[in-house]
Amino acid sequence: AQSVTQLDSQVPVFEEAPVELRCNYSSSVSVYLFWYVQYPNQGLQLLLKYLSGSTLVKGINGFEAEFNKSQTSFHLRKPSVHISDTAEYFCAVIRRGGGFKTIFGAGTRLFVKA
Amino acid sequence: NAGVTQTPKFRILKIGQSMTLQCTQDMNHNYMYWYRQDPGMGLKLIYYSVGAGITDKGEVPNGYNVSRSTTEDFPLRLELAAPSQTSVYFCASSYTWDGELFFGSGTQLSVL
Repeated sequence: AQSVTQLDSQVPVFEEAPVELRCNYSSSVSVYLFWYVQYPNQGLQLLLKYLSGSTLVKGINGFEAEFNKSQTSFHLRKPSVHISDTAEYFCAVIRRGGGFKTIFGAGTRLFVKA
Repeated sequence: NAGVTQTPKFRILKIGQSMTLQCTQDMNHNYMYWYRQDPGMGLKLIYYSVGAGITDKGEVPNGYNVSRSTTEDFPLRLELAAPSQTSVYFCASSYTWDGELFFGSGTQLSVL
């Protein structure tokens, strides 16, 4: 079975500062990895995904994430955040080739302050 | 493009009442899902479907039922509402069985 741990429930940060949201996963088989973002009162939307290839993945709105197989991590980063990045961010995994059941982390609430 | 559409957006139920949450998608996706989101718990899979006429249980199916008569629609039924079903419900769909999920905007349900 797979599991996802998001190490921070809340991350406050000042505008234009860098941010890292941490995600560790556990799986005995190969997985695909995703970050989703949920803006207030909206559904989730895909930020970026890692399927294979380069371990550095770039997504929308200037976010990127790095897949580290040895540390089973998939941390999300942005070099300079904006007020509009205030949202909840979810890390998720799904087993390669044996899908249907995307497993989500508990979420990290990013709060960007002026 | 409408994507995934859920109705209603909000609902208050009394204990023991029944209701159906509607979900429709216009992307011709075979795979559809129902999740519930509780604070600090992430999303939990209730039911999923791999195509019209085929459904299966997820992690937390108790108290819910689904049907899938068409590719587009995947309604979720609560038969005897309980306070433990107070949550935000999301419908989602995907093109492949291990791909990106496309979400609706959610239904906030309170059972009092």
